Amino acid sequence: QKEVEQDPGPLSVPEGAIVSLNCTYSNSAFQYFMWYRQYSRKGPELLMYTYSSGNKEDGRFTAQVDKSSKYISLFIRDSQPSDSATYLCAMRKTSYDKVIFGPGTSLSVIP
Amino acid sequence: NAGVTQTPKFQVLKTGQSMTLQCAQDMNHEYMSWYRQDPGMGLRLIHYSVGAGITDQGEVPNGYNVSRSTTEDFPLRLLSAAPSQTSVYFCASSYFPSVLSNTGELFFGEGSRLTVL
Repeated sequence: QKEVEQDPGPLSVPEGAIVSLNCTYSNSAFQYFMWYRQYSRKGPELLMYTYSSGNKEDGRFTAQVDKSSKYISLFIRDSQPSDSATYLCAMRKTSYDKVIFGPGTSLSVIP
Repeated sequence: NAGVTQTPKFQVLKTGQSMTLQCAQDMNHEYMSWYRQDPGMGLRLIHYSVGAGITDQGEVPNGYNVSRSTTEDFPLRLLSAAPSQTSVYFCASSYFPSVLSNTGELFFGEGSRLTVL
């Protein structure tokens, strides 16, 4: 079993839809949680960061962490065609530990 | 501002050949890492380093060696290339995260596309 699981999709939604992306993990020691966005043939870029449990909002994006369920989510409101990309969750246990990624979910937002 | 620089961007090898992928960063990041990305597999960690002289294995280290003699450079060596090592390789670096001031955001290079025949 991989440490971090993620539905690979692909996920296709109409423009303006609310998108929900999720990851589950097996090790309760993870404390730092991130979402990266990767456009085709580019390196990933940090989208959202959360330490421990709770919610974080940034514009149209909301990240949620539920450590009791070992489950993290990324919500995208009013999705745009420019949101079409692969979304990767990532996490690390301590400040000095390695960063592990999920397999990524491919999202297409159709105009 | 160069950020993370990877070379080469493209490489074709024959089975059994060796090569080194170069990675350099100019942000004075303590943490550096190498990932490979294959379709449907996300980013899988090969090796990482938390500072000069310190390296450790990731999820898929077999067939790869690394060293970290300086803060800036973190080369990845393929000792005897195999077709299974055909992939896109990303180098990434960051500061260590701290709750108060730093997310530990990973900065990625542009990737190196390797084909092993």
